[in-house]
Amino acid sequence: EVQLLESGGGFVHPGGSLRLSCAASGFTFSGHPMSWVRQAPGRGLEWVATINGGGYTTYYADSVEGRFTIYRDFSKKTVDLQMDNLRAEDTAIYFCTKGLYSGRTPPDYWGQGTQVTVS
Amino acid sequence: DIQMTQSPSTLSASIGDRVTITCRASQSISNWLAWFQQRPGKAPKLLIYEASRLQSGVPSRFSGSASGTEFTLTITSLQPDDFATYYCQQYNRDWTFGQGTRVEV
Repeated sequence: EVQLLESGGGFVHPGGSLRLSCAASGFTFSGHPMSWVRQAPGRGLEWVATINGGGYTTYYADSVEGRFTIYRDFSKKTVDLQMDNLRAEDTAIYFCTKGLYSGRTPPDYWGQGTQVTVS
Repeated sequence: DIQMTQSPSTLSASIGDRVTITCRASQSISNWLAWFQQRPGKAPKLLIYEASRLQSGVPSRFSGSASGTEFTLTITSLQPDDFATYYCQQYNRDWTFGQGTRVEV
């Protein structure tokens, strides 16, 4: 059974940093791109970042480019999101997602999310 | 950036109704389009990918179609579990989600 378990959310002041982590299990970790998607309170879904299966290619939304960094650790089977210089508009639930297949793909599994509050 | 315009934003329906939600892409995305269902307080669930392919385990009352840059999610015979918010997503280039459609009683 595929499981994605996020951790690391919390409360931080503007300009501060947080590191989110997503522990993955139940699938071939290197075979799927992993992404983070966020949802501000009462709002829609916003893609944040993606890392390919091999861990060597990353993509970022314009709103976080230069402030956020996505990593994957193959030994721990985790995907981390390092968030620096946080702003109030980064306040959201952050979901870790798994790609349905390699390459151009939607997410087929989502974690339950971790809350980040910047205030 | 590719923009996704989803309509309507809210839809009132009853059990047994046929429901249609539309998403229009600002440029060609081929068929790289997915639909998700999100219930309050829960993570989104993948329903449809590649515009019309039903994800495993999703009831057959859900279907997707495409015509150029316009995409449609149809729910035939709405069930109680289907009252939720639905999002389209393009994954042709990065990801962009539509604004969402809330299906309510």
